[in-house]
Amino acid sequence: NAGVTQTPKFRILKIGQSMTLQCAQDMNHNYMYWYRQDPGMGLKLIYYSVGAGITDKGEVPNGYNVSRSTTEDFPLRLELAAPSQTSVYFCASSPSPDLGQFFGPGTRLTVL
Amino acid sequence: AQSVTQLDSHVSVSEGTPVLLRCNYSSSYSPSLFWYVQHPNKGLQLLLKYTSAATLVKGINGFEAEFKKSETSFHLTKPSAHMSDAAEYFCVVPTGNQFYFGTGTSLTVIP
Repeated sequence: NAGVTQTPKFRILKIGQSMTLQCAQDMNHNYMYWYRQDPGMGLKLIYYSVGAGITDKGEVPNGYNVSRSTTEDFPLRLELAAPSQTSVYFCASSPSPDLGQFFGPGTRLTVL
Repeated sequence: AQSVTQLDSHVSVSEGTPVLLRCNYSSSYSPSLFWYVQHPNKGLQLLLKYTSAATLVKGINGFEAEFKKSETSFHLTKPSAHMSDAAEYFCVVPTGNQFYFGTGTSLTVIP
């Protein structure tokens, strides 16, 4: 199993540009999560999904959108990128919250 | 709702000495609990998890944690620190469909 994969690994955007961060998992997990981690800080939840077709906002959803059309994929869309969105983005999946999460390697995004 | 408190933001130990990273939880019942490790510029890796099967949980890289209901604690320990243990450690508890992360403990290992 590849586990949780994220692409790209690095990206530089200009202010106002848009992009999609890709996340895929091959473990048939229903739960998927997007977090951001600013330098020296903990993780903040952006969006999560409990199954295909179901998404919900986390702590910091503004400026982001998600979709969950399949169990495997959970892309995160940034519209009109802003410098405040410079961060490292982690995707995670889980079979059930009581069993913990599996994290992807992260995407380092810089908005200039 | 469940939550965790990591009691130390930074811990510094000498190589070869024991490691103790403290985590207290707040829950009305015995929750699942997890410890994750994040090495510099890396993602989070599951160290170990408690899911009520046994109170002493062994994880990867020689780490273990003991669930103590009477003290509402889930402290992470290792008998002998290695340089490669230098990292950020997070205590995590599920709350509903989400996860509550502790604020993290940065472990420094002095050669």
